[in-house]
Amino acid sequence: RKEVEQDPGPFNVPEGATVAFNCTYSNSASQSFFWYRQDCRKEPKLLMSVYSSGNEDGRFTAQLNRASQYISLLIRDSKLSDSATYLCVVSYGGSQGNLIFGKGTKLSVKP
Amino acid sequence: NAGVTQTPKFQVLKTGQSMTLQCAQDMNHEYMSWYRQDPGMGLRLIHYSVGAGITDQGEVPNGYNVSRSTTEDFPLRLLSAAPSQTSVYFCASRLDRATEQFFGPGTRLTVL
Repeated sequence: RKEVEQDPGPFNVPEGATVAFNCTYSNSASQSFFWYRQDCRKEPKLLMSVYSSGNEDGRFTAQLNRASQYISLLIRDSKLSDSATYLCVVSYGGSQGNLIFGKGTKLSVKP
Repeated sequence: NAGVTQTPKFQVLKTGQSMTLQCAQDMNHEYMSWYRQDPGMGLRLIHYSVGAGITDQGEVPNGYNVSRSTTEDFPLRLLSAAPSQTSVYFCASRLDRATEQFFGPGTRLTVL
């Protein structure tokens, strides 16, 4: 089975903290990479795609290391509203490009 | 756009009953998928479709059927419900294999 492994969590951090999530994937043929966010009892929603050169969106920075088959997500200046489960997602290409989801890392930001 | 819609939101079945979970999208997406999400297991792909008339099995297809007669609709049928099918079911769609996947709000199914 193609695997996507994430930090088990949970991460409990104070407001304003910087927190980093890591993810590894097993198939070197992986083509696309994403971070999704899932709030409690809600559907997953795309947080950001992850590009080879790394990318930033406000307080969020995603990085990809193809050689080590490793993806990371950095959240700076954590807000209470960042509390959620973060899912690492990998696409293995092919005609279907099916997505493989990690089990998620739960983040709880406290006042 | 309504995005991806799913009905019902909640359902309780008895073992052996059959039912259909409905999924529709109004974004003209070719790719549609069904997932189940269980505690500690993450999202697992049940069935998927890359266009009307084309369906294929995912990681956990047993006990489920799908069809894709139109671009918009992708129903999931439980043939004979079992307690192991108690889960949260998400339908999702995307334009193609490289683009963002949008999820429906989910159906919480309990099989007694």
